[in-house]
Amino acid sequence: QSVLTQPPSASGTPGQRVTISCSGSSSNIGSHTVNWYQQLPGTAPKLLIYGNNQRPSGVPDRFSGSKSGTSTSLAISGLQSEDEADYYCAAWDDSLNGVLFGGGTKLTVL
Amino acid sequence: EVQLVESGGGLVQPGGSLRLSCAASGFTLSSHGMHWVRQAPGKGLVWVSTINSDGSSTYYADSVRGRFTISRDNAKNTLHLQLNSLRAEDTAVYYCTRDSVGTGIDYWGQGTLVTVSS
Repeated sequence: QSVLTQPPSASGTPGQRVTISCSGSSSNIGSHTVNWYQQLPGTAPKLLIYGNNQRPSGVPDRFSGSKSGTSTSLAISGLQSEDEADYYCAAWDDSLNGVLFGGGTKLTVL
Repeated sequence: EVQLVESGGGLVQPGGSLRLSCAASGFTLSSHGMHWVRQAPGKGLVWVSTINSDGSSTYYADSVRGRFTISRDNAKNTLHLQLNSLRAEDTAVYYCTRDSVGTGIDYWGQGTLVTVSS
């Protein structure tokens, strides 16, 4: 598996709740914790969720993560215009012996 | 404040070499594994290489193994990535990232652009 599977795009209106999925396999998500990263246009990625569902300090509680088996998801509630960004899931992969990223999901706030 | 500042990117011809550096500050480099992650223009994030905290273990993506070498100098708070036999498909922004136990990649540098073109 070369990438974790994410939908290429997602969208929502301000105030809505959106969910971004990420699926993998037993060698990555099934065996290791998942992180989520937010990449605003023209900037470096930033850690959004670690350990499947933990938020670093400073990340609003509108962002939440969950994991079940070999799948994981990121939920954003109370969508805001500044949430428009690319979102990536990531997990260590035992076959790769490295970090495997999802293909990324471009979130558009309509 | 944790800071990772990459340098060394630029335009290089196919088959050429570059050495990327990452200056770390605001934390004890010797306590952390480090990774390089790259992003081709308009594309997603791709893991390139990992080095453990004392430099004794290194790991590479298949696409760069044998061409790239990761190293670190904890005394100088610096991480390096030597890029040899460069190909057009190596064109990307290269990010230096910090790994923390129990967290994974938690900090990213601003990136340095490598362009491989004749």
